[in-house]
Amino acid sequence: DIQMTQSPSTLSASVGDRVTITCRASQSISIWLAWYQQKPGKAPKLLIYKASSLESGVPSRFSGSGSGTEFTLTISGLQPDDLATYYCSQYNTYVTFGGGTKVEIK
Amino acid sequence: EVQLVESGGGLVKPGGSLRLSCAGYGFSFTNAWVSWVRQAPGKGLEWVGRIKSKTDGETTDFAAPVKGRFTISKDDSKNTVYLQMNSLKAEDTAVYYCTTHYCSSTNCYNYFDYWGQGTQVAVSS
Repeated sequence: DIQMTQSPSTLSASVGDRVTITCRASQSISIWLAWYQQKPGKAPKLLIYKASSLESGVPSRFSGSGSGTEFTLTISGLQPDDLATYYCSQYNTYVTFGGGTKVEIK
Repeated sequence: EVQLVESGGGLVKPGGSLRLSCAGYGFSFTNAWVSWVRQAPGKGLEWVGRIKSKTDGETTDFAAPVKGRFTISKDDSKNTVYLQMNSLKAEDTAVYYCTTHYCSSTNCYNYFDYWGQGTQVAVSS
C-alpha cells in the first residue's frame, strides 16, 4: 500500500501570509496527486488534481507542485475563508489520503 | 446542479449490518464511478471502496479494513448507489461520504469531484 505523509499537521498563519503544506508518498506516484479542502462540519472539496491542475472555480491563490514522491500545496495570500483542514490524496494505485493539515488563522 | 444525498446511517450493534444509500441528482450514475469515503470522529479521510460504471464492468474494489465485509452495488434506474456493511465493528464508526470520480470523455480517474453531505454510522453496544 502507498502511504502518504503530510506536514505539518497544524499550522497557524496570518492573513496575507504564504502557506506551504508538504505531502510525501512512500513510493513514486508520478503526478497522480490531488488536494482537498475540508471546512469544519462540511464535506471535502477538490482543489488540485494531477499535482498542479487547479479545479474550476478554485481561487488562483491555491497552487500545487511536485512529482514522484514530493508534493506541495501553496496558498499565496492566506484569507480568513481558508480556515480548513487540507488533505493530499494519491490516486496512482487506488486511493490513499494523507493525515491532513489543519490551517488556523492567527 | 449535481447533488449527492446519502441516507441510511444510524446506531448499530457490533456484528450488525447497515445499508447506506447515495442518491444522485442532476446527473446520471450510468457512466459514473462512485466511491465511499469515511471519516472517523476527529480523524482524517479514509477511502472505503469503489464501484465502476456498467461500461467498465461495474467492478468493485475495497480497502483492506473492509474487504469481505462491505459490498457496493448500483441501481441505475433509481440513480442510487448502495454500501452494504456487514459484521460491523466499533472502528467502522464514522461519517460516510458518497463521492463521484472525475471522468473525462475517455477515462475515469481516482480523484473525486462531487461529494455528498455524509451520513453518520455509529457502531456500539
